[in-house]
Amino acid sequence: DGGITQSPKYLFRKEGQNVTLSCEQNLNHDAMYWYRQDPGQGLRLIYYSQIVNDFQKGDIAEGYSVSREKKESFPLTVTSAQKNPTAFYLCASSDMVETQYFGPGTRLLVL
Amino acid sequence: AQSVTQPDIHITVSEGASLELRCNYSYGATPYLFWYVQSPGQGLQLLLKYFSGDTLVQGIKGFEAEFKRSQSSFNLRKPSVHWSDAAEYFCAVGADTGRRALTFGSGTRLQVQP
Repeated sequence: DGGITQSPKYLFRKEGQNVTLSCEQNLNHDAMYWYRQDPGQGLRLIYYSQIVNDFQKGDIAEGYSVSREKKESFPLTVTSAQKNPTAFYLCASSDMVETQYFGPGTRLLVL
Repeated sequence: AQSVTQPDIHITVSEGASLELRCNYSYGATPYLFWYVQSPGQGLQLLLKYFSGDTLVQGIKGFEAEFKRSQSSFNLRKPSVHWSDAAEYFCAVGADTGRRALTFGSGTRLQVQP
């Protein structure tokens, strides 16, 4: 079954802690994206990667970091510098004609 | 910079009634346009997309959308709504150059009354 998986489904962060959200795809897509979703604000782009070992900041990259060491994987780390991390995080990948396919999301909550 | 406006935050329709969700975009060239649907706590599912050609686009679940360049609009329609259509709907615009990521509207929440 081809698709995008995100784990965990729920993640709890303590103050001062870094946490990492996993995103894996087996669609053989070159491009991958991370979005943050807050109620009433739609989706906002955090980071994106168009090819392995390369990535760019999106609109709200502060307090986040990513890596792209493999085509299939694009993990997102929420660092302690992100002061308001509570949100729903969505990972996506796209083919060359720009259609993006989304994973099921990870909900991050602060303890 | 590209932008998307969905003027209706919340819409309620009766089951069996027709539906139109509005989307207006701002983009300098011919855009790539998308409609996605999201059920609570879930990811986004692609309903339909427009890249070029016929301005009336058919999608899944009986949805269609019409691209109107003169109005910078890409409204989503369905002739007869089912209770299972209750969800949040997002319009998005993409570019074929530069930053190839989508810009999303803030969404329209659809409620279906029996």
